[in-house]
Amino acid sequence: DAMVIQNPRYQVTQFGKPVTLSCSQTLNHNVMYWYQQKSSQAPKLLFHYYDKDFNNEADTPDNFQSRRPNTSFCFLDIRSPGLGDAAMYLCATSRAGTEDDQPQHFGDGTRLSIL
Amino acid sequence: EDQVTQSPEALRLQEGESSSLNCSYTVSGLRGLFWYRQDPGKGPEFLFTLYSAGEEKEKERLKATLTKKESFLHITAPKPEDSATYLCAVRPYSSASKIIFGSGTRLSIRP
Repeated sequence: DAMVIQNPRYQVTQFGKPVTLSCSQTLNHNVMYWYQQKSSQAPKLLFHYYDKDFNNEADTPDNFQSRRPNTSFCFLDIRSPGLGDAAMYLCATSRAGTEDDQPQHFGDGTRLSIL
Repeated sequence: EDQVTQSPEALRLQEGESSSLNCSYTVSGLRGLFWYRQDPGKGPEFLFTLYSAGEEKEKERLKATLTKKESFLHITAPKPEDSATYLCAVRPYSSASKIIFGSGTRLSIRP
């Protein structure tokens, strides 16, 4: 089945130690998103790639970066994680730019813990 | 400002007890409204897209409806496996690709 795959499912890192989360998709969607979700809250959009164009949300901390080397893969880099960055990180994809308004499809997330 | 509000925050029902979840929205123009189901420790799973007032979509025990100001997710004779958080999201006309989520309704069905 075509899908969105996130690795790892669980990640533990130390305070201030850089960490990278990965996402891959077999849907051939042109848009990829990264969300942060804390307990009992809505997913919060960090940034998204529309094709190769990077779109950062105004309130996304500089500590968060992203790379999209090709259509299928996208990475989230947290340069110096703080305790407040402990959360579930969700990757999503969609096909935009068509007449049909396509929904976003989500991976199962990476649960990040900070020691 | 575009906004999505879901109510109630949490809902506990007895198995078989039908009810509705509400999603109220204010957007400059609605391009689409989406319902998702999220189980603990998992990503949101897509359920429905609604585009215009009066539209309805159904899937098993779930039916989603849309008016110009709100959407309802009706759950008929729910079972314990319907327990999850249900998220509503809207895509405004001003956005080619982004959606705005509500904070969700946590639904719990007791056997």
